[in-house]
Amino acid sequence: SQTIHQWPATLVQPVGSPLSLECTVEGTSNPNLYWYRQAAGRGLQLLFYSVGIGQISSEVPQNLSASRPQDRQFILSSKKLLLSDSGFYLCAWSVRGPLAQPQHFGDGTRLSIL
Amino acid sequence: AQSVTQPDIHITVSEGASLELRCNYSYGATPYLFWYVQSPGQGLQLLLKYFSGDTLVQGIKGFEAEFKRSQSSFNLRKPSVHWSDAAEYFCAVGASGGGSNYKLTFGKGTLLTVNP
Repeated sequence: SQTIHQWPATLVQPVGSPLSLECTVEGTSNPNLYWYRQAAGRGLQLLFYSVGIGQISSEVPQNLSASRPQDRQFILSSKKLLLSDSGFYLCAWSVRGPLAQPQHFGDGTRLSIL
Repeated sequence: AQSVTQPDIHITVSEGASLELRCNYSYGATPYLFWYVQSPGQGLQLLLKYFSGDTLVQGIKGFEAEFKRSQSSFNLRKPSVHWSDAAEYFCAVGASGGGSNYKLTFGKGTLLTVNP
């Protein structure tokens, strides 16, 4: 069966520090991968998605970047964190195909910026 | 562009009562529809999905949802709520054709509180 792992579960970082959140998927190949941010009362905001190694699409201009160095690895990064980067970050995967597929989520990372 | 509206931000029900969570979507063709549940501090778990066929779909944990094209709705129901159902529920729509097939659009969620 397929599993998705996100780490760390919680992270407290000072303003201006770098960020690296990692997500890996097991049990499937060639998945679509997604990074979302969730703020209270605002639902899920899609930040990045990837349909293949090295292929990253950004949905929202911001202080963050994403990379996909391997087929089942997706990394969310920042060079200098802002207070507004605080939130709950979720990674998800779906089967790649021509039609919309269910997305399957990791347990998330709670990021607090001080 | 597709969109999802969940009109109820917060719903409170008593344990054992029936539940209906509303979801309205906007999409130019037949959509693919999903309901997810999120417990505090956790990721989202897929409850059920509608792609085509029977408009009443069954999901996990005793939930069902009905697709009504005429009302652009996909409401989630459960006949008898358990305390463990307290969580936030998200409706999502995906494209059934054309570009951007891999993206889902989520509603802002409905928080369910269950009273003993």
